[in-house]
Amino acid sequence: QQPVQSPQAVILREGEDAVINCSSSKALYSVHWYRQKHGEAPVFLMILLKGGEQKGHEKISASFNEKKQQSSLYLTASQLSYSGTYFCGIVAYSGNTPLVFGKGTRLSVIA
Amino acid sequence: KAGVTQTPRYLIKTRGQQVTLSCSPISGHRSVSWYQQTPGQGLQFLFEYFSETQRNKGNFPGRFSGRQFSNSRSEMNVSTLELGDSALYLCASGSLDRDNEQFFGPGTRLTVL
Repeated sequence: QQPVQSPQAVILREGEDAVINCSSSKALYSVHWYRQKHGEAPVFLMILLKGGEQKGHEKISASFNEKKQQSSLYLTASQLSYSGTYFCGIVAYSGNTPLVFGKGTRLSVIA
Repeated sequence: KAGVTQTPRYLIKTRGQQVTLSCSPISGHRSVSWYQQTPGQGLQFLFEYFSETQRNKGNFPGRFSGRQFSNSRSEMNVSTLELGDSALYLCASGSLDRDNEQFFGPGTRLTVL
Protein backbone atom coordinates (compact mmCIF):
# COMPACT_ATOMS: atom_id res chain seq x y z
CA GLN A 1 0.00 0.00 0.00
CA GLN A 2 1.50 3.29 -1.16
CA PRO A 3 2.06 5.88 1.59
CA VAL A 4 0.38 9.26 1.26
CA GLN A 5 2.55 12.35 1.12
CA SER A 6 1.52 15.92 1.74
CA PRO A 7 1.73 18.51 0.45
CA GLN A 8 2.05 17.52 -3.19
CA ALA A 9 4.09 20.62 -3.92
CA VAL A 10 5.53 23.58 -2.04
CA ILE A 11 7.41 26.72 -3.00
CA LEU A 12 9.80 28.31 -0.52
CA ARG A 13 12.08 31.30 -0.45
CA GLU A 14 15.65 30.72 0.64
CA GLY A 15 15.87 30.55 4.42
CA GLU A 16 12.30 29.43 4.96
CA ASP A 17 11.31 26.16 6.60
CA ALA A 18 9.19 23.31 5.26
CA VAL A 19 7.61 20.15 6.56
CA ILE A 20 6.75 17.17 4.39
CA ASN A 21 4.46 14.54 5.81
CA CYS A 22 4.16 10.84 5.06
CA SER A 23 1.39 8.63 6.38
CA SER A 24 0.56 4.97 6.07
CA SER A 25 -2.51 2.85 6.63
CA LYS A 26 -0.31 0.02 7.89
CA ALA A 27 1.91 -0.32 10.89
CA LEU A 28 5.40 0.73 9.96
CA TYR A 29 8.76 -0.83 10.61
CA SER A 30 10.84 1.83 8.94
CA VAL A 31 10.49 5.02 6.94
CA HIS A 32 12.96 6.05 4.26
CA TRP A 33 13.42 9.49 2.74
CA TYR A 34 14.94 10.21 -0.66
CA ARG A 35 15.37 13.31 -2.78
CA GLN A 36 15.36 13.33 -6.55
CA LYS A 37 16.56 16.28 -8.58
CA HIS A 38 15.28 16.75 -12.09
CA GLY A 39 16.85 14.27 -14.49
CA GLU A 40 18.73 12.46 -11.76
CA ALA A 41 18.29 9.29 -9.70
CA PRO A 42 16.78 9.46 -6.21
CA VAL A 43 19.38 9.96 -3.50
CA PHE A 44 19.16 8.65 0.03
CA LEU A 45 18.55 11.14 2.84
CA MET A 46 17.74 9.08 5.91
CA ILE A 47 16.08 6.05 7.43
CA LEU A 48 14.01 6.06 10.59
CA LEU A 49 13.59 2.72 12.27
CA LYS A 50 10.97 1.41 14.63
CA GLY A 51 12.28 2.00 18.09
CA GLY A 52 13.58 5.44 17.34
CA GLU A 53 16.94 4.89 15.68
CA GLN A 54 17.62 7.38 12.94
CA LYS A 55 20.25 7.00 10.30
CA GLY A 56 21.05 9.86 7.99
CA HIS A 57 23.76 11.88 6.41
CA GLU A 58 22.49 15.37 5.77
CA LYS A 59 21.47 18.36 7.84
CA ILE A 60 17.80 17.55 7.40
CA SER A 61 15.82 16.09 10.26
CA ALA A 62 12.82 13.82 10.48
CA SER A 63 10.47 12.31 12.99
CA PHE A 64 8.76 8.96 13.10
CA ASN A 65 5.52 8.51 15.04
CA GLU A 66 4.98 4.77 15.16
CA LYS A 67 1.58 4.99 16.82
CA LYS A 68 0.20 7.36 14.21
CA GLN A 69 2.04 5.55 11.40
CA GLN A 70 3.43 8.86 10.23
CA SER A 71 6.74 10.48 9.49
CA SER A 72 7.63 14.08 8.85
CA LEU A 73 10.68 15.52 7.14
CA TYR A 74 11.86 18.91 8.36
CA LEU A 75 13.85 21.21 6.13
CA THR A 76 15.03 24.27 7.98
CA ALA A 77 16.66 27.38 6.57
CA SER A 78 16.14 26.02 3.07
CA GLN A 79 18.78 26.47 0.42
CA LEU A 80 18.45 26.51 -3.35
CA SER A 81 20.06 23.07 -3.39
CA TYR A 82 17.10 21.65 -1.47
CA SER A 83 14.91 21.88 -4.57
CA GLY A 84 13.73 18.57 -5.89
CA THR A 85 11.10 15.92 -5.33
CA TYR A 86 11.09 14.23 -1.95
CA PHE A 87 9.89 10.67 -1.63
CA CYS A 88 9.08 8.78 1.50
CA GLY A 89 9.28 5.02 1.38
CA ILE A 90 7.87 2.65 3.91
CA VAL A 91 8.48 -0.88 5.04
CA ALA A 92 5.34 -2.19 6.67
CA TYR A 93 5.65 -4.10 9.89
CA SER A 94 4.07 -7.19 8.47
CA GLY A 95 6.84 -9.55 7.64
CA ASN A 96 8.54 -9.78 4.31
CA THR A 97 7.34 -6.57 2.68
CA PRO A 98 9.11 -4.40 0.17
CA LEU A 99 10.10 -0.73 0.30
CA VAL A 100 7.14 1.12 -1.16
CA PHE A 101 7.31 4.81 -2.06
CA GLY A 102 4.76 7.60 -2.07
CA LYS A 103 4.02 9.84 -5.03
CA GLY A 104 6.45 12.49 -3.92
CA THR A 105 6.44 16.12 -2.83
CA ARG A 106 7.88 18.65 -5.22
CA LEU A 107 9.85 21.31 -3.37
CA SER A 108 11.01 24.47 -5.13
CA VAL A 109 13.29 26.92 -3.36
CA ILE A 110 13.58 30.32 -4.95
CA ALA A 111 15.94 33.19 -4.25
CA LYS B 1 33.28 1.88 -5.76
CA ALA B 2 31.27 1.95 -8.97
CA GLY B 3 27.62 2.86 -8.66
CA VAL B 4 24.54 1.08 -9.93
CA THR B 5 24.54 0.86 -13.70
CA GLN B 6 21.56 0.36 -15.96
CA THR B 7 21.51 -0.42 -19.63
CA PRO B 8 20.36 0.79 -21.99
CA ARG B 9 19.77 4.37 -20.82
CA TYR B 10 17.20 5.10 -23.50
CA LEU B 11 14.97 2.83 -25.49
CA ILE B 12 12.27 3.38 -28.08
CA LYS B 13 9.93 0.52 -28.91
CA THR B 14 6.59 0.09 -30.61
CA ARG B 15 3.44 -1.43 -29.19
CA GLY B 16 3.48 -5.20 -29.08
CA GLN B 17 7.23 -5.54 -28.90
CA GLN B 18 9.10 -6.79 -25.88
CA VAL B 19 12.05 -5.27 -24.05
CA THR B 20 14.73 -6.37 -21.60
CA LEU B 21 16.36 -3.95 -19.20
CA SER B 22 19.52 -4.68 -17.26
CA CYS B 23 20.77 -3.57 -13.87
CA SER B 24 24.19 -4.15 -12.34
CA PRO B 25 24.22 -3.44 -8.61
CA ILE B 26 27.06 -2.08 -6.58
CA SER B 27 29.71 -4.74 -6.01
CA GLY B 28 28.83 -6.80 -2.95
CA HIS B 29 25.18 -5.85 -2.95
CA ARG B 30 22.78 -8.78 -3.08
CA SER B 31 19.50 -6.92 -3.08
CA VAL B 32 18.02 -5.41 -6.24
CA SER B 33 14.65 -3.71 -6.54
CA TRP B 34 12.93 -2.32 -9.62
CA TYR B 35 10.62 0.68 -9.79
CA GLN B 36 8.57 2.31 -12.51
CA GLN B 37 8.43 6.10 -12.41
CA THR B 38 5.81 8.09 -14.30
CA PRO B 39 4.76 11.73 -13.81
CA GLY B 40 2.38 12.04 -10.90
CA GLN B 41 2.63 8.42 -9.79
CA GLY B 42 5.91 8.47 -7.95
CA LEU B 43 7.95 5.31 -7.73
CA GLN B 44 5.80 2.26 -8.31
CA PHE B 45 7.31 -0.93 -6.94
CA LEU B 46 7.83 -3.73 -9.47
CA PHE B 47 10.05 -6.45 -7.98
CA GLU B 48 12.55 -7.14 -5.28
CA TYR B 49 15.28 -9.77 -5.56
CA PHE B 50 17.71 -11.04 -2.99
CA SER B 51 20.32 -13.70 -3.75
CA GLU B 52 18.55 -14.78 -6.95
CA THR B 53 15.17 -15.14 -5.25
CA GLN B 54 12.21 -12.90 -5.90
CA ARG B 55 11.11 -11.75 -2.46
CA ASN B 56 8.30 -9.46 -3.50
CA LYS B 57 6.34 -8.47 -6.54
CA GLY B 58 4.32 -5.33 -7.04
CA ASN B 59 0.88 -4.96 -8.50
CA PHE B 60 1.81 -5.14 -12.16
CA PRO B 61 0.45 -7.46 -14.87
CA GLY B 62 2.20 -10.68 -15.78
CA ARG B 63 3.75 -8.96 -18.81
CA PHE B 64 6.33 -7.64 -16.38
CA SER B 65 8.86 -10.21 -15.23
CA GLY B 66 12.32 -10.22 -13.82
CA ARG B 67 15.18 -12.33 -12.61
CA GLN B 68 18.45 -12.07 -10.78
CA PHE B 69 21.64 -13.89 -11.62
CA SER B 70 24.27 -15.41 -9.36
CA ASN B 71 26.45 -12.31 -9.73
CA SER B 72 23.49 -10.21 -8.46
CA ARG B 73 22.91 -8.59 -11.83
CA SER B 74 19.23 -8.32 -12.58
CA GLU B 75 17.08 -8.06 -15.66
CA MET B 76 13.48 -7.14 -16.13
CA ASN B 77 11.42 -7.98 -19.17
CA VAL B 78 8.24 -6.41 -20.45
CA SER B 79 6.38 -8.29 -23.13
CA THR B 80 3.65 -7.06 -25.45
CA LEU B 81 4.44 -3.43 -24.77
CA GLU B 82 1.63 -0.92 -24.34
CA LEU B 83 1.73 2.86 -24.64
CA GLY B 84 1.23 3.11 -20.88
CA ASP B 85 4.49 1.29 -20.26
CA SER B 86 6.38 4.41 -21.27
CA ALA B 87 8.25 5.39 -18.13
CA LEU B 88 11.57 5.69 -16.39
CA TYR B 89 12.55 2.31 -14.96
CA LEU B 90 14.84 2.55 -11.96
CA CYS B 91 16.67 -0.16 -10.15
CA ALA B 92 18.11 0.13 -6.68
CA SER B 93 20.63 -2.03 -4.89
CA GLY B 94 21.25 -2.55 -1.22
CA SER B 95 23.83 -4.33 0.87
CA LEU B 96 21.57 -6.40 3.07
CA ASP B 97 17.88 -5.76 3.00
CA ARG B 98 15.35 -3.03 2.75
CA ASP B 99 16.23 -1.47 6.08
CA ASN B 100 19.43 -0.08 4.72
CA GLU B 101 20.22 2.64 2.27
CA GLN B 102 19.22 1.85 -1.28
CA PHE B 103 21.38 3.14 -4.12
CA PHE B 104 19.53 3.99 -7.29
CA GLY B 105 20.82 3.68 -10.80
CA PRO B 106 20.29 6.41 -13.43
CA GLY B 107 17.35 4.55 -14.92
CA THR B 108 16.27 3.41 -18.36
CA ARG B 109 13.91 5.75 -20.18
CA LEU B 110 11.49 3.59 -22.17
CA THR B 111 9.29 5.17 -24.80
CA VAL B 112 6.60 3.07 -26.43
CA LEU B 113 5.20 4.41 -29.71
